[in-house]
Amino acid sequence: EAGVTQFPSHSVIEKGQTVTLRCDPISGHDNLYWYRRVMGKEIKFLLHFVKESKQDESGMPNNRFLAERTGGTYSTLKVQPAELEDSGVYFCASSQIQGASHEKLFFGSGTQLSVL
Amino acid sequence: GQNIDQPTEMTATEGAIVQINCTYQTSGFNGLFWYQQHAGEAPTFLSYNVLDGLEEKGRFSSFLSRSKGYSYLLLKELQMKDSASYLCAPRHAGNNRKLIWGLGTSLAVNP
Repeated sequence: EAGVTQFPSHSVIEKGQTVTLRCDPISGHDNLYWYRRVMGKEIKFLLHFVKESKQDESGMPNNRFLAERTGGTYSTLKVQPAELEDSGVYFCASSQIQGASHEKLFFGSGTQLSVL
Repeated sequence: GQNIDQPTEMTATEGAIVQINCTYQTSGFNGLFWYQQHAGEAPTFLSYNVLDGLEEKGRFSSFLSRSKGYSYLLLKELQMKDSASYLCAPRHAGNNRKLIWGLGTSLAVNP
């Protein structure tokens, strides 16, 4: 079974440019999460999709970040325009059943974003 | 507020036992996860505790005390491949269900 895949694995862009990160969750997983880890700091929640709907986007830093999950399959996270403080590793995770108490998250390897 | 506290680094010897402690403060609680992360790789699930007590799974065990806001991960018969970062992550209660992460403990296993 394929795991959670993220693309690209690395992205280096200049301040002011646009970058789009993609996440393909495990097939059949309704829950999809985006997390971010800035160097030296803890992993922070960004948002949570249940199928194509945003369940919780309280962690999105500002309106330069736009996440979509059209059709409830893969998700994209667009940063426009990128700023220096957006640099970090962006993780995507998926899980199967929201109602289960033991909801195990499966993580992708992350996208390392560097904004210069 | 929300706060997770773990030791930053630990060192142990191959074949030994190591205990990684985690204390937490969260607004609402719905279980606690431990994840392992090797450098440059995805965090991988190790254990989940929602009730007080010890959960054992092979060489790894995890303990939870909800009243004390405390958990630990116990690794037995350490192997070199256990060198990694170990992340304690309690989960919010309610509909958002998001995980709150600590900085993780970097464990180095020496021969």
